[in-house]
Amino acid sequence: AQKITQTQPGMFVQEKEAVTLDCTYDTSDPSYGLFWYKQPSSGEMIFLIYQGSYDQQNATEGRYSLNFQKARKSANLVISASQLGDSAMYFCAIRTGAGSYQLTFGKGTKLSVIP
Amino acid sequence: DTEVTQTPKHLVMGMTNKKSLKCEQHMGHRAMYWYKQKAKKPPELMFVYSYEKLSINESVPSRFSPECPNSSLLNLHLHALQPEDSALYLCASSQDSAPARRGNTIYFGEGSWLTVV
Repeated sequence: AQKITQTQPGMFVQEKEAVTLDCTYDTSDPSYGLFWYKQPSSGEMIFLIYQGSYDQQNATEGRYSLNFQKARKSANLVISASQLGDSAMYFCAIRTGAGSYQLTFGKGTKLSVIP
Repeated sequence: DTEVTQTPKHLVMGMTNKKSLKCEQHMGHRAMYWYKQKAKKPPELMFVYSYEKLSINESVPSRFSPECPNSSLLNLHLHALQPEDSALYLCASSQDSAPARRGNTIYFGEGSWLTVV
């Protein structure tokens, strides 16, 4: 079974600053994908970024980048130049194994951006 | 904007009512999902359809009945619900059930907020 741990229930960041949201994972499957989702208070679960277990480089998508440290089993999300609209809940998730539909989520981190 | 659309956005129903949540995607995805999310918790998987066949039922009570009329549509029929079933219901889709590949991201809709009174 796989597991995601997000140790930061809440985070504050000043507008225009960078912030790192922590995520560690546990799986015995060598093939897996790591995902980050953003969920504003409206409820929509928005896909942000993906990192595959065999990817050689850290993933980047605009202001989002993933600090992937495979040996430490961590996949931290870095948001650069925070904006007020970044205030939301952020979930780290993992998907493993052949034919697996399961997307295992962490408990989430609530990010608040301060003007 | 999400390419997975859900209706209605909000639903209030009595415990004796019958209602349905609807979900549609036009990305050509062959796997579709229903998740339930309670406040301050991560989403929990309820059902998975793969190629229009029910593949996973995570021991969901029979008062929730999923239906996949075609590869683009997914319904969740609700009957005799309990107040504790009040939650955000998220529909999602992905290309297929293949393992973690970049192109097999699970995309979610905006959700349907359900209140059972």
